[in-house]
Amino acid sequence: GENVEQHPSTLSVQEGDSAVIKCTYSDSASNYFPWYKQELGKRPQLIIDIRSNVGEKKDQRIAVTLNKTAKHFSLHITETQPEDSAVYFCAASRDTGGFKTIFGAGTRLFVKA
Amino acid sequence: SAVISQKPSRDICQRGTSLTIQCQVDSQVTMMFWYRQQPGQSLTLIATANQGSEATYESGFVIDKFPISRPNLTFSTLTVSNMSPEDSSIYLCSVGGVNGYTFGSGTRLTVV
Repeated sequence: GENVEQHPSTLSVQEGDSAVIKCTYSDSASNYFPWYKQELGKRPQLIIDIRSNVGEKKDQRIAVTLNKTAKHFSLHITETQPEDSAVYFCAASRDTGGFKTIFGAGTRLFVKA
Repeated sequence: SAVISQKPSRDICQRGTSLTIQCQVDSQVTMMFWYRQQPGQSLTLIATANQGSEATYESGFVIDKFPISRPNLTFSTLTVSNMSPEDSSIYLCSVGGVNGYTFGSGTRLTVV
């Protein structure tokens, strides 16, 4: 069946460094790729997304890239800060042949001050 | 984006009993989704609730165990029936879909 693989499962960086999280999807019909941030004890929140007709999108310190041919997409966080520490989930969605979203397993990011 | 009120926020329940979780949205939405998140794990879709029709359940989840109601376009409930310790988890409702999800605050369920 369809799945989304997310790596790494844990990432520790020094404050100010960059962090990169990568996801690979299998469903070629996927056309929407959101990223969620979940702080401890809180709900997941959408932080950035990208659609299949776009290769890159940036919002301040975060950016997402998509390689549709290779079926992978990545989250890039620059100038990391301690408040970036959280679990990040990627997801791949499609809205053809029935709406479906599959989440990655999550990446626990630690930003050390 | 939509604002979702979910309750209860947490509960401790005896095995064999049932718990009903409620979600109220501040706007009308076609689809509402119910997710389960076990500790340290990802989000697993339980079912999609559409107003005016039966909920659609994902593989591994059945209506007898997780009955869902969707009486109108702003409200839904999920019941966890005949609970066992394996049902201990966080349950989240959400709305949205093709433009990303907004999640409720979650219900942390512990079955003892």
